[in-house]
Amino acid sequence: GQQVMQIPQYQHVQEGEDFTTYCNSSTTLSNIQWYKQRPGGHPVFLIQLVKSGEVKKQKRLTFQFGEAKKNSSLHITATQTTDVGTYFCAGREGYSSASKIIFGSGTRLSIRP
Amino acid sequence: SAVISQKPSRDICQRGTSLTIQCQVDSQVTMMFWYRQQPGQSLTLIATANQGSEATYESGFVIDKFPISRPNLTFSTLTVSNMSPEDSSIYLCSVGGGGGRAGGTEAFFGQGTRLTVV
Repeated sequence: GQQVMQIPQYQHVQEGEDFTTYCNSSTTLSNIQWYKQRPGGHPVFLIQLVKSGEVKKQKRLTFQFGEAKKNSSLHITATQTTDVGTYFCAGREGYSSASKIIFGSGTRLSIRP
Repeated sequence: SAVISQKPSRDICQRGTSLTIQCQVDSQVTMMFWYRQQPGQSLTLIATANQGSEATYESGFVIDKFPISRPNLTFSTLTVSNMSPEDSSIYLCSVGGGGGRAGGTEAFFGQGTRLTVV
């Protein structure tokens, strides 16, 4: 079945440093979504990428979808303490209304002030 | 967007008992999803609850262990039956996240139910 892996599992950075998490799928995806889960909270949607090679930015966050639509990345520039949490990618394999999203293993980001 | 109310927010239960988790959405939705998230882990889909039909369970999850009700388009329950310590986890209901040619929609989550089985 479809598997979505993320690396690294954990990342501990100094505030102000950059952070990147990588997402890889065993199969070609129709789209990929990114979610952030704060400690003790529930996942919150950040963005969706649909097109091959697509790049989207949200302030300090840059999201990329690979040309083969099997991998994606999230890059945070100059991290802040508010960026703490676990970042999940979630990939969808098909286009039907019944197609499910499969969550990646997540990358937990912690920050030294 | 969707606002989801999930309860209880947490519970401590004795092994062998059952717990029913409720999920209420502020709008009508066709599909509702139930996930399990073990401590420090990712989200694993348990089942998809469709109104008017049996829930669809993912591999490794069965109806006898996780019976689901979906009486209308705004409400669903998940029961964790005959609990053991291995069932200790966070259970989340979700709506949205459906597919489609346009790329699909984002998923909205309830606050989660933190279950501890002792």
